[in-house]
Amino acid sequence: NAGVTQTPKFRILKIGQSMTLQCTQDMNHNYMYWYRQDPGMGLKLIYYSVGAGITDKGEVPNGYNVSRSTTEDFPLRLELAAPSQTSVYFCASSYGGGTYEQYFGPGTRLTVT
Amino acid sequence: GEDVEQSLFLSVREGDSSVINCTYTDSSSTYLYWYKQEPGAGLQLLTYIFSNMDMKQDQRLTVLLNKKDKHLSLRIADTQTGDSAIYFCAEILYGGSQGNLIFGKGTKLSVKP
Repeated sequence: NAGVTQTPKFRILKIGQSMTLQCTQDMNHNYMYWYRQDPGMGLKLIYYSVGAGITDKGEVPNGYNVSRSTTEDFPLRLELAAPSQTSVYFCASSYGGGTYEQYFGPGTRLTVT
Repeated sequence: GEDVEQSLFLSVREGDSSVINCTYTDSSSTYLYWYKQEPGAGLQLLTYIFSNMDMKQDQRLTVLLNKKDKHLSLRIADTQTGDSAIYFCAEILYGGSQGNLIFGKGTKLSVKP
């Protein structure tokens, strides 16, 4: 099993550009999450999904959109990129909510200049 | 609001014990977690403790929970250079059916040979 995979690993965007961060898991997990990690900080939840077709906002959703059309995929869309979105983005998945272990992908390092 | 605090750095010698401390504010937290992040990688769950426990031991890892003081610690016995990483404390909110983890900023552990 590959677990949670994310693409791309690195990306540089210009202000105002858009892009989609891809996340795929092969563990048949219902729950998926997007976090961002700013330098010297913990992770902040952007969006999460409890199953295909169901998404909800986390702590810091502004400037992002998500969709969940399949169990495996949970892409994160950045519209009109801003320097404040420079961060490392982690996707995670878990079998269930609550106390189930979240498995993390390797991250996407995004720089907006 | 919810907050998780950790010291930012800890340096120890190989073979010594490491103790990483964390305080949290939400008294209704049900589970508390320790995650490890190696350079350039995603987070990996190390261990967790349920809020009605005082201590949990797992091989070289010992977790102590003082619920009265809202203080959590992670002790790593016989610390090795491979333990060098950032360690995140996280709490899950009561009724967090979505698995909404609140992370601290992380403690960077450096192990000197």
